[in-house]
Amino acid sequence: QVQLQESGPGLVKPSGTLSLTCAVSGGSISSTHWWSWVRQPPGKGLEWIGEIYHSGTTNYNPSLKSRVTISVDKSKNEFSLKLSSVTAADTALYYCATDAIPKVWGQGTLVTVSS
Amino acid sequence: QSVLTQPPSVSAAPGQKVTISCSGSSSNIGNNYVSWYQQLPGTAPKLLIYDNNKRPSGIPDRFSGSKSGTSATLGITGLQTGDEADYYCGTWDSSLTIVVFGGGTKLTVL
Repeated sequence: QVQLQESGPGLVKPSGTLSLTCAVSGGSISSTHWWSWVRQPPGKGLEWIGEIYHSGTTNYNPSLKSRVTISVDKSKNEFSLKLSSVTAADTALYYCATDAIPKVWGQGTLVTVSS
Repeated sequence: QSVLTQPPSVSAAPGQKVTISCSGSSSNIGNNYVSWYQQLPGTAPKLLIYDNNKRPSGIPDRFSGSKSGTSATLGITGLQTGDEADYYCGTWDSSLTIVVFGGGTKLTVL
C-alpha cells in the first residue's frame, strides 16, 4: 500500500512562495498513478489544486494556474508543489494524494501565510 | 459556493441508517464517477467509496454508494458514534477540467 508524507515550511510570508514536497513510499512514483495536491482552509471544504503524471504532464485548477507549479523527482520518489505570490487566503492544510480523484491521502501539513 | 451540493448536516441515532446526498450536473456527476470521503476530526480525508459504488479494501459494507442521473448518495447503516465525521463527495468536472468536491456534510450520531 502506497503511503504519502508531506513536508515543508509551516509559515510563509505574504507575497512569498509556498513550497511543499510529498514523499512516496511503498510504491514507485513511476507507476500508473497520477499524483495530486488538495488543500483545505481551516474549518472549510476541500479544493483541488492540480495533478502530475510521472512523465511530467500536469493539470492545474484554473483558479490557481497562474501561481502553481507541480513537479516530480523520480530519483527521490517524490513530487512537489510550489504556489507563488501567497496571501492569507492560501492558509490551509495541504494534502498530497494518489490519483486525480484522490484515493490514498497524506496526513496533511498546515501552512500559514503571515508576516 | 461548491460545484457539488451537499446538506450541511445530518443526524441519526446509533444503529439507524442515514443517507447523504450530493447534487451536481451533467458536466460532473452526470458523466463521471463519484467518490466519497470520510474526514474524522483532526485527520485527513479517507476514501470510502469510488467509481460510484465500490468500496476499497477494509471499508465495511455498512457504507454504500449509488448514483442516479446528476445526483449521488452515500448510505451508512448500523450507525456508530465513531462514524461522526465530515463526509465529502468528489468527481471530475468535464467543463471546468478539475476535480470538484461537495461542501461537506457533518454527521452527528445522537
